[in-house]
Amino acid sequence: GAVVSQHPSWVICKSGTSVKIECRSLDFQATTMFWYRQFPKQSLMLMATSNEGSKATYEQGVEKDKFLINHASLTLSTLTVTSAHPEDSSFYICTTAPGASDNYGYTFGSGTRLTVV
Amino acid sequence: GENVEQHPSTLSVQEGDSAVIKCTYSDSASNYFPWYKQELGKGPQLIIDIRSNVGEKKDQRIAVTLNKTAKHFSLHITETQPEDSAVYFCAASRNTGFQKLVFGTGTRLLVSP
Repeated sequence: GAVVSQHPSWVICKSGTSVKIECRSLDFQATTMFWYRQFPKQSLMLMATSNEGSKATYEQGVEKDKFLINHASLTLSTLTVTSAHPEDSSFYICTTAPGASDNYGYTFGSGTRLTVV
Repeated sequence: GENVEQHPSTLSVQEGDSAVIKCTYSDSASNYFPWYKQELGKGPQLIIDIRSNVGEKKDQRIAVTLNKTAKHFSLHITETQPEDSAVYFCAASRNTGFQKLVFGTGTRLLVSP
């Protein structure tokens, strides 16, 4: 089946630094990737939608200059948390969108736990 | 936009009992309703899904029912086991083309031996 590889699985960084999270579709092309954030004991909240070759679409309240999304190829989407602060500590997870054929449904990465100290 | 409500937020059952988790959605155009199980520190795992052209779907001890008119869908787990303990999320999407998935608030299920 479809697999999305997400790295790193966990990362600790100092406040003020930037962290890049990668999601790579291994055996299929993902023209659209959704990025979610999950705070402890809460649900998954959509941050943004990335589309290959175009600008990402951000949900209301998500700072586009802080959470940089790049979807430069059909198999790779990245989320960069810039100038990270402790309140950005969260679980970040990506998922591909089902295509028009809906053969794969939503395929999730394994998630990245970010801790900002 | 779509809004998905889920209850209960926590559910404790004895091993062998049944567990039911209910969700409602607001967007009548939603037509895909997956259920995910999330264990601590891991991403959500799809356990069952249903599309709007079907009223019920079953897979061994797990079943999902959908009432499109009332915009309700429910997860039923029978003969619960301790390893069923996890957080369960319902979700909804239009699932036509590249549509986002909207999650419910989650239910923490605890199955006691």
